[in-house]
Amino acid sequence: DQQVKQNSPSLSVQEGRISILNCDYTNSMFDYFLWYKKYPAEGPTFLISISSIKDKNEDGRFTVFLNKSAKHLSLHIVPSQPGDSAVYFCAARGGLRGSTLGRLYFGRGTQLTVWP
Amino acid sequence: NAGVTQTPKFQVLKTGQSMTLQCAQDMNHNSMYWYRQDPGMGLRLIYYSASEGTTDKGEVPNGYNVSRLNKREFSLRLESAAPSQTSVYFCASSEVWGAPEQFFGPGTRLTVL
Repeated sequence: DQQVKQNSPSLSVQEGRISILNCDYTNSMFDYFLWYKKYPAEGPTFLISISSIKDKNEDGRFTVFLNKSAKHLSLHIVPSQPGDSAVYFCAARGGLRGSTLGRLYFGRGTQLTVWP
Repeated sequence: NAGVTQTPKFQVLKTGQSMTLQCAQDMNHNSMYWYRQDPGMGLRLIYYSASEGTTDKGEVPNGYNVSRLNKREFSLRLESAAPSQTSVYFCASSEVWGAPEQFFGPGTRLTVL
């Protein structure tokens, strides 16, 4: 049973506009959330993260929002650029106790396409 | 720095054959991981090594073995490959176990016929 869900397999956005990628999770023990970006034939690369004690983290054009009560996080990219076209994986870290100890759990990914 | 390197990049096996996937990192990281990614799926943890000299099972360990050869190297072995093991395999490392940021290699695309 997937504990991290990305329900949109793809998203298409025009250059300059905002891209919003969504992620839901089920395990309230997750204590850290991350977004990874993946280009074809490459490994995922870390993009941005947020601790469960925060509700927002910003890094340049990228902002991650966390809504713990809804078990939902989102990644905003503003403005979107063609080079942002990639697969984006949402991931969550198991809290530092129990069977999920320290592990990362990944969603299935969302293919973002930014067109000129 | 090369980061995390994996060999080979591609491999085709017949059912029942064995092979070892190699992974090395030059970032002096303590922890290393093996994931697989299947079409339309997220990455799933196969095995990990929290520190040199230790290994442990992840979410999908059946059919695999691992060896943490030294601090730099972590190999994944398929003793008797099955078509269900057709996948892309990623090795990753992190500074310490539980560090949220992991660094990934480019992947090995394995096909088992």
